[in-house]
Amino acid sequence: RKEVEQDPGPFNVPEGATVAFNCTYSNSASQSFFWYRQDCRKEPKLLMSVYSSGNEDGRFTAQLNRASQYISLLIRDSKLSDSATYLCVVARGGSYIPTFGRGTSLIVHP
Amino acid sequence: EPEVTQTPSHQVTQMGQEVILRCVPISNHLYFYWYRQILGQKVEFLVSFYNNEISEKSEIFDDQFSVERPDGSNFTLKIRSTKLEDSAMYFCAGRPGATGELFFGEGSRLTVL
Repeated sequence: RKEVEQDPGPFNVPEGATVAFNCTYSNSASQSFFWYRQDCRKEPKLLMSVYSSGNEDGRFTAQLNRASQYISLLIRDSKLSDSATYLCVVARGGSYIPTFGRGTSLIVHP
Repeated sequence: EPEVTQTPSHQVTQMGQEVILRCVPISNHLYFYWYRQILGQKVEFLVSFYNNEISEKSEIFDDQFSVERPDGSNFTLKIRSTKLEDSAMYFCAGRPGATGELFFGEGSRLTVL
């Protein structure tokens, strides 16, 4: 099983749609979780950290389910500018090496 | 806003040549990383660096690779004898504390011919 798994997509949605991405991780000792955004040929940029209680930042909501080793990202009211690849990142305790999933591609069309 | 800077932005080299990629991390960062991303693939961990020494490295980081922080500011990745499969985007990243988000540079694109 891969350490961090994501559906690569692409998810092709109209403006205004709600879209959800999922991510699973294999190491139960993982302690920190993030969603990053990556535009084509650019560096990853932090979208949001994911906390056990779930957290929201504007149109973005992240959830963590430690029992199922599962993280989600919900984007409401999609904008054209949300088109990007969304990377799930998990860091385990100890050495704390952030490990990236392959990313989920989102295309928002008019 | 402070940022991580990387040079060169793009380097083209012949197979077998040595390449040095440079990074200037944010000044209050203590933990440093190199990642690479082959076109169309995921971001892969290469090496982490703390307190002037390697703290962990991946299987990719073989004897052809080395890292240094020669002057307390620059953080370099050297590839001694490049191979075609070393063609990728190389990202430097840092963070201030023991945990938390990584701050990435814009990357150095390496093309090996």
